[in-house]
Amino acid sequence: DAGVIQSPRHEVTEMGQEVTLRCKPISGHNSLFWYRQTMMRGLELLIYFNNNVPIDDSGMPEDRFSAKMPNASFSTLKIQPSEPRDSAVYFCASSPRETGGGNTIYFGEGSWLTVV
Amino acid sequence: GIQVEQSPPDLILQEGANSTLRCNFSDSVNNLQWFHQNPWGQLINLFYIPSGTKQNGRLSATTVATERYSLLYISSSQTTDSGVYFCAVTRTGTASKLTFGTGTRLQVTL
Repeated sequence: DAGVIQSPRHEVTEMGQEVTLRCKPISGHNSLFWYRQTMMRGLELLIYFNNNVPIDDSGMPEDRFSAKMPNASFSTLKIQPSEPRDSAVYFCASSPRETGGGNTIYFGEGSWLTVV
Repeated sequence: GIQVEQSPPDLILQEGANSTLRCNFSDSVNNLQWFHQNPWGQLINLFYIPSGTKQNGRLSATTVATERYSLLYISSSQTTDSGVYFCAVTRTGTASKLTFGTGTRLQVTL
């Protein structure tokens, strides 16, 4: 089975531009997570979906960030407008069910974003 | 929210040595996982271990939930073990919020 697929793998963009990160979870997984990794703050959960419904978006840093999951096989994380402090690695992950129920979470390879 | 602390923050080993990594957490959990982030940034799940002991090859893990800590043992370390090891937990009652620790950066040298 294919793992969690993210695109783009690398993106360099100018401040003020819109950035869209994409994720395809593992087929059959009901929970999807967006994490951000920086040197200063480590791995932070931004938002997670269960059965395509956003459950907890308390980690989304600002209104410039938005996430959608229109169907079970696709999710996007959008930053508009982007700022240099948004530079980070953004990971998408999926899990068969809610991880509190004891399910392993599987990560994609990450999208490395640089905003100049 | 729940606090997850890992120690040591950095560790340098010679190939063949053994090591123990520790994860302390501040509240009761119903999910604890160990991950390895390799030098290319890929996060690989090592263990799902909210309690008890598991072994997988040269790696093993033990979680004592009542004492709120978990240990990851690496035996006969190899250079491919280098990277960052993360502990992540879900606090009981927060269905899916997996909170990561700050990690232990391991370097295994020849």
